Amino acid sequence: AQSVTQLGSHVSVSEGALVLLRCNYSSSVPPYLFWYVQYPNQGLQLLLKYTSAATLVKGINGFEAEFKKSETSFHLTKPSAHMSDAAEYFCAVSGSSGDKLTFGTGTRLAVRP
Amino acid sequence: GAVVSQHPSRVICKSGTSVKIECRSLDFQATTMFWYRQFPKQSLMLMATSNEGSKATYEQGVEKDKFLINHASLTLSTLTVTSAHPEDSSFYICSAGPLAGPYEQYFGPGTRLTVT
Repeated sequence: AQSVTQLGSHVSVSEGALVLLRCNYSSSVPPYLFWYVQYPNQGLQLLLKYTSAATLVKGINGFEAEFKKSETSFHLTKPSAHMSDAAEYFCAVSGSSGDKLTFGTGTRLAVRP
Repeated sequence: GAVVSQHPSRVICKSGTSVKIECRSLDFQATTMFWYRQFPKQSLMLMATSNEGSKATYEQGVEKDKFLINHASLTLSTLTVTSAHPEDSSFYICSAGPLAGPYEQYFGPGTRLTVT
C-alpha cells in the first residue's frame, strides 16, 4: 500500500522567492512519484515524475524535485516563483506502471507580488 | 500529445435523473482509465478503475450501481451517475495511461456536476 503526506496545506511566497513544497511518501514497493498542478476548475497537469532513474527530476515551468529514499521524500522546488505559479499542487505515488495513483491532500501555493 | 478530453465540462440536472460523462483519450490508446471525484478544496478521491473490455474495479465505499462505468474501447470510458441526488454534486475527473509507459496518468479537464 502507498500513501503520501504533504506538509502545509497553504504556502505563500513572494514573487522571485524560492518555492518549496514538501511531500513524504510511504510505499511497500519501489515507488513511482509524481507532482501535478491544478488550476481552478481544471484537471491536473503533470509537472514531473520519478520512475527510478535519476533522483533529481526536472519538470516543466522550472520545477524540479529530488527523490531521497533515506528520507522518503520527494519535495518540489522552484528557484524563483512567478505569479502564474499560484495553483494547487498534488504529490502522488503509485506502486508500478499503470497502477492507481494515491494523492496527497494538496498544497495551495500563493505568490505575493 | 497525450490529451484527454471530458464531456460535458459542466452539467446541471434535476434530482432523480441520470447523467453521463464521457472521457476520451484523443491521441493515444488507454487500456486503463481512472475516475476521480473531487470535493471543493480537497484532494482527488479515486472512485474506480476502468479497464477496456472488462468490468470496472470500484474503490471501497463507492456504489457501483449508482456510478456505472463503461469502457467500451481503448479511447472511451463513460461514467453514468444514476438517480442523481444533490450530494452527488461534485467535480469529476478522469485520467488515462498510455498502453506502454511512461507510467504517468493524463488527466481530463474535469466535469462539474450540479444536482438541483
